[in-house]
Amino acid sequence: GQNIDQPTEMTATEGAIVQINCTYQTSGFNGLFWYQQHAGEAPTFLSYNVLDGLEEKGRFSSFLSRSKGYSYLLLKELQMKDSASYLCAATGAGNNRKLIWGLGTSLAVNP
Amino acid sequence: EAQVTQNPRYLITVTGKKLTVTCSQNMNHEYMSWYRQDPGLGLRQIYYSMNVEVTDKGDVPEGYKVSRKEKRNFPLILESPSPNQTSLYFCASSLQIAGGYEQYFGPGTRLTVT
Repeated sequence: GQNIDQPTEMTATEGAIVQINCTYQTSGFNGLFWYQQHAGEAPTFLSYNVLDGLEEKGRFSSFLSRSKGYSYLLLKELQMKDSASYLCAATGAGNNRKLIWGLGTSLAVNP
Repeated sequence: EAQVTQNPRYLITVTGKKLTVTCSQNMNHEYMSWYRQDPGLGLRQIYYSMNVEVTDKGDVPEGYKVSRKEKRNFPLILESPSPNQTSLYFCASSLQIAGGYEQYFGPGTRLTVT
């Protein structure tokens, strides 16, 4: 089957580092996306990993291990505005290359 | 400004009254998609379109119709809305679906069917 798992909720403190994990199981896997979604707003793109390893983009980094079906999003120097839901999405099989979406991890950043 | 627009943003309607939610993108994207988002269920794809006149069902197509007559527009039609279609709807587009191109989402349409 096709499935994505990520924690439902996480809390962290302003200025700290937090790691949001995502495990996936898809047929025809191509790559893995991370999106950020503030409450009531549209998801916005954060990163896309297709090769194993860590990709850094400012305060955010994303890691992929294809052999383990595992990814994580690392957020450094947390700010209050980082409070949001973080969605993991893996590409599936077929012409559609349909994205399989996780349910999202709701991150609360406390002062 | 590159964007995906949706209208209306908010809609309250009654059961059985046909409605259309419009979606338009100005980025010349081939791929467009409609999602609904419900608490505890995440984003679920309703329909998608790989290009003009090419549409196909997603995971939850029942009760919905779409069309893609022009590249920029991808309206979502609810012929006879029911209360279980109360949801937050997002339109999205990307250059292509292959190759890891990011999807750009519209601002969302919050639909309530009474």
